[in-house]
Amino acid sequence: AQSVTQLDSQVPVFEEAPVELRCNYSSSVSVYLFWYVQYPNQGLQLLLKYLSGSTLVKGINGFEAEFNKSQTSFHLRKPSVHISDTAEYFCAVRPNTGNQFYFGTGTSLTVIP
Amino acid sequence: DAGVTQSPTHLIKTRGQHVTLRCSPISGHKSVSWYQQVLGQGPQFIFQYYEKEERGRGNFPDRFSARQFPNYSSELNVNALLLGDSALYLCASSLGGEKTQYFGPGTRLLVL
Repeated sequence: AQSVTQLDSQVPVFEEAPVELRCNYSSSVSVYLFWYVQYPNQGLQLLLKYLSGSTLVKGINGFEAEFNKSQTSFHLRKPSVHISDTAEYFCAVRPNTGNQFYFGTGTSLTVIP
Repeated sequence: DAGVTQSPTHLIKTRGQHVTLRCSPISGHKSVSWYQQVLGQGPQFIFQYYEKEERGRGNFPDRFSARQFPNYSSELNVNALLLGDSALYLCASSLGGEKTQYFGPGTRLLVL
């Protein structure tokens, strides 16, 4: 069975400050890992993904994430946030044995001017 | 290139009614998945279809059904609507063998 835990439901941060959104997962098999962003009243947009190779992956809008297999984590980071980064962020895993995505409950990032 | 499209964007129904939601995948994508996102929660997997065959089903009652057409578009049907079916319904497409899913804007369903 798979599960995804996003440890922070809400993260307020000042503009131009760094941010880290935490994601931990549990799975009995190897997984692929994803971060999606959802702006108000919109669908999900892919930010970045880890499929294999380098554990540090870079995505759009200056975001990056690091896969840590021993800690089963895939935390999302950005060194300097902008007002436009205010949105809901979802971590997701896909087991390598199936096609279903499992999502966390989301982290609401609010960037304060 | 057009992304995943869904129709309608919004829908209001009453309890007991039936609803059909539609999804067109990205051109060339043969797999379509449906998710339900209740307010304040992450998306929950409902179905996956690949080459017109059901390849996965989440923990949803039989009131939920879906199908995929020869052009790879898909419909999600929900019968005997309940208040708890109010949610954003998301469609995602992928190439099939590809590991990444690309999501549409969703259909927001309100059941009164």
